[in-house]
Amino acid sequence: GESVGLHLPTLSVQEGDNSIINCAYSNSASDYFIWYKQESGKGPQFIIDIRSNMDKRQGQRVTVLLNKTVKHLSLQIAATQPGDSAVYFCAENSGNNRLAFGKGNQVVVIP
Amino acid sequence: DAGITQSPRHKVTETGTPVTLRCHQTENHRYMYWYRQDPGHGLRLIHYSYGVKDTDKGEVSDGYSVSRSKTEDFLLTLESATSSQTSVYFCAIAGGSDNEQFFGPGTRLTVL
Repeated sequence: GESVGLHLPTLSVQEGDNSIINCAYSNSASDYFIWYKQESGKGPQFIIDIRSNMDKRQGQRVTVLLNKTVKHLSLQIAATQPGDSAVYFCAENSGNNRLAFGKGNQVVVIP
Repeated sequence: DAGITQSPRHKVTETGTPVTLRCHQTENHRYMYWYRQDPGHGLRLIHYSYGVKDTDKGEVSDGYSVSRSKTEDFLLTLESATSSQTSVYFCAIAGGSDNEQFFGPGTRLTVL
């Protein structure tokens, strides 16, 4: 399949533990942020989003935190499972009808 | 994959040949995007469309052209493929400019 995880920061986490993936964004005017998950050989898959008028949003087993003061975004995955092994990357709405994507973080779940 | 298909899924071609990749959606979304994904660079926007016959350049548009003659199809053309265009190409769609984008399964293109 398509290899997208080369040379990426890697987080190794024990199955059942919580994972935290961090992302620094660049544009202080960005008002919309998304986390994507990409498994080997597949296209990016939407996980969760957050708008700039919020600082926290929860989904099923995932939580996104937004700190606009330091332009930082994080994704927390509760009770990490083997199926969570993937590359995760953040995206910000930089205006002009487009998103700007981070380079990604590889998550490896150890059974 | 949210009603998005890409064709072909894999292609090997030679330098200097023309190549066209097709993205087809069944969601009737207004916005469509073409990205390339390379190790160390993440996803980079090539071109996008905000409606039929309305397109604009992304950050890596040189060597690529696009066309959108109907809502459901967005074509990416490499007029004369080069080895630097070897990559994985993803199409994405969105209902609005500040909505989440949904991605297709990707096309792996190898230019020899």
